[in-house]
Amino acid sequence: EPEVTQTPSHQVTQMGQEVILRCVPISNHLYFYWYRQILGQKVEFLVSFYNNEISEKSEIFDDQFSVERPDGSNFTLKIRSTKLEDSAMYFCASSERGGPLTQYFGPGTRLTVL
Amino acid sequence: AQSVAQPEDQVNVAEGNPLTVKCTYSVSGNPYLFWYVQYPNRGLQFLLKYITGDNLVKGSYGFEAEFNKSQTSFHLKKPSALVSDSALYFCSMRGADTGRRALTFGSGTRLQVQP
Repeated sequence: EPEVTQTPSHQVTQMGQEVILRCVPISNHLYFYWYRQILGQKVEFLVSFYNNEISEKSEIFDDQFSVERPDGSNFTLKIRSTKLEDSAMYFCASSERGGPLTQYFGPGTRLTVL
Repeated sequence: AQSVAQPEDQVNVAEGNPLTVKCTYSVSGNPYLFWYVQYPNRGLQFLLKYITGDNLVKGSYGFEAEFNKSQTSFHLKKPSALVSDSALYFCSMRGADTGRRALTFGSGTRLQVQP
């Protein structure tokens, strides 16, 4: 069964450093998403991406964040200058184009900012 | 604004007994509703969804959920719990009548099935 994959599984970085989280969505999916879950809190939507542009973003997704689909398979989330409060589990998801767009999630990347 | 509530942080049930994990929602218009399960060190795994039609939907691993529009609820159920069902369960929603695709999640309910 096709799955969303994410790398790395755990990223440790120093405050102020740039990080790139990588995702490989399910191959025939056209919508891509990033969510995050701060420890002990709800899963929160960050951004959705379709047809090579952002289709929706939350208030969390400020100028420090960017997304990119650099090739036909990868989908990345970049945080330019990490803050302590960016420490969280980041989930990538993808969905097909039609219907209710069930989102299928990857295993997550745990980001720790020191 | 839309929201999802899971009133129980934890549900404990004995193996073989029926289980219910509660979820209520608030949205303007009709909802699309989803249940996901998270096992330790794993991602969110899709279980089932309600889109339209029959209020009782069936999903993976014997789980089902009942949509109740008047009570704005979408409780997850299973007739006979297994120890392997122990995990963290998330209810989520998006509005069916908007162009938004962002899912709103509940806070999660930890299900503990005792042998």
